Amino acid sequence: GAVVSQHPSWVICKSGTSVKIECRSLDFQATTMFWYRQFPKQSLMLMATSNEGSKATYEQGVEKDKFLINHASLTLSTLTVTSAHPEDSSFYICSARERRNTGELFFGEGSRLTVL
Amino acid sequence: AQKVTQAQTEISVVEKEDVTLDCVYETRDTTYYLFWYKQPPSGELVFLIRRNSFDEQNEISGRYSWNFQKSTSSFNFTITASQVVDSAVYFCALSEAGYSTLTFGKGTMLLVSP
Repeated sequence: GAVVSQHPSWVICKSGTSVKIECRSLDFQATTMFWYRQFPKQSLMLMATSNEGSKATYEQGVEKDKFLINHASLTLSTLTVTSAHPEDSSFYICSARERRNTGELFFGEGSRLTVL
Repeated sequence: AQKVTQAQTEISVVEKEDVTLDCVYETRDTTYYLFWYKQPPSGELVFLIRRNSFDEQNEISGRYSWNFQKSTSSFNFTITASQVVDSAVYFCALSEAGYSTLTFGKGTMLLVSP
């Protein structure tokens, strides 16, 4: 099956710094990518939908200025957590849908962010 | 609005026991897709199955089987002869027509002890 890769797998940063997480579709073109957030022992919550070449669509309650999403190419979307604080510590997972819209969704391995 | 309910928060079984994970969904669409994912302690989501709303046939894959019943809006997952490696959190998810986004249930943590 198709592969979606996230980088970094885990990151520890100091409060106030910004962290960028990359989501790449390795062997297919993804017009749409989705970013999810998962708190410990909880479910995945959709944060935003990222469309190549246009602005991301954020779910209610998600701060656009806090979580910057860029989908500059058909194989790369980035999530930047700006001025991170301890409450931003979480597991972030991206998923990508193939350009041909066959309906298949593929998930990255996830990125664990810890803000000290 | 769509909703997925996994009423079982945590299940503990002993190896070789059969276990069924429940999933009940709500949707107004007639066309939708149901999924099961496994999330081991390492965190990645492992795709297990996708089922569309027009296919009510039950499916079996090795020790895994799924029972889809539209009459009760349920898509239950059974693991036969469970193994320690089956220990993980299992998520049921729903996507309405167009395959836009997935709505996940809260997950069921399965603990299989030797």
